[in-house]
Amino acid sequence: GAVVSQHPSWVICKSGTSVKIECRSLDFQATTMFWYRQFPKQSLMLMATSNEGSKATYEQGVEKDKFLINHASLTLSTLTVTSAHPEDSSFYICSARVPGREGLGAFFGQGTRLTVV
Amino acid sequence: DQQVKQNSPSLSVQEGRISILNCDYTNSMFDYFLWYKKYPAEGPTFLISISSIKDKNEDGRFTVFLNKSAKHLSLHIVPSQPGDSAVYFCAASAEAQKLVFGQGTRLTINP
Repeated sequence: GAVVSQHPSWVICKSGTSVKIECRSLDFQATTMFWYRQFPKQSLMLMATSNEGSKATYEQGVEKDKFLINHASLTLSTLTVTSAHPEDSSFYICSARVPGREGLGAFFGQGTRLTVV
Repeated sequence: DQQVKQNSPSLSVQEGRISILNCDYTNSMFDYFLWYKKYPAEGPTFLISISSIKDKNEDGRFTVFLNKSAKHLSLHIVPSQPGDSAVYFCAASAEAQKLVFGQGTRLTINP
């Protein structure tokens, strides 16, 4: 199946700093990628849809200025958590669907565990 | 508004028996449904999907059933194996757009 790689797998940062998470589609081009957040023992909540070459589409309640998304190429989307605070600590996951082969489902990255101290 | 619901947070099944995980949805625009398996600290892994034009899809030990009139789908795993122990999420989408996930069901297979 298609491969989506996410980096880093875990990161610890100090409160007030910014953290960048990368999501790459390794063997296909993804015009659209999705960023999710998962709290412990809860579902995956869609944060935003990342569109190559244009602005991301954010879900209601997600702060655009805090969670910056850049989809600079067909294989790379980045999520930057700016001025991170302890409440931003969570598991962040990206995904992408292979264009024209939606029957394969979305492919997910390994996830990034962010801990803000 | 929880458009996709998995009402059972956990399920325990004996090895070799059938595991049945259930999912309900409210949005009649959903036309594609998927099941994912997830281990802790990992991204979800796609298991099986079904289009709204079908009522059953089978792949090895996994079968997904869709009842559109009831807005209900289920995942059957038979026979259940210890390696099936994980959290299972159902998800739905409309016109290949964003996925909406249920809350997940933790499946435990007992030897």
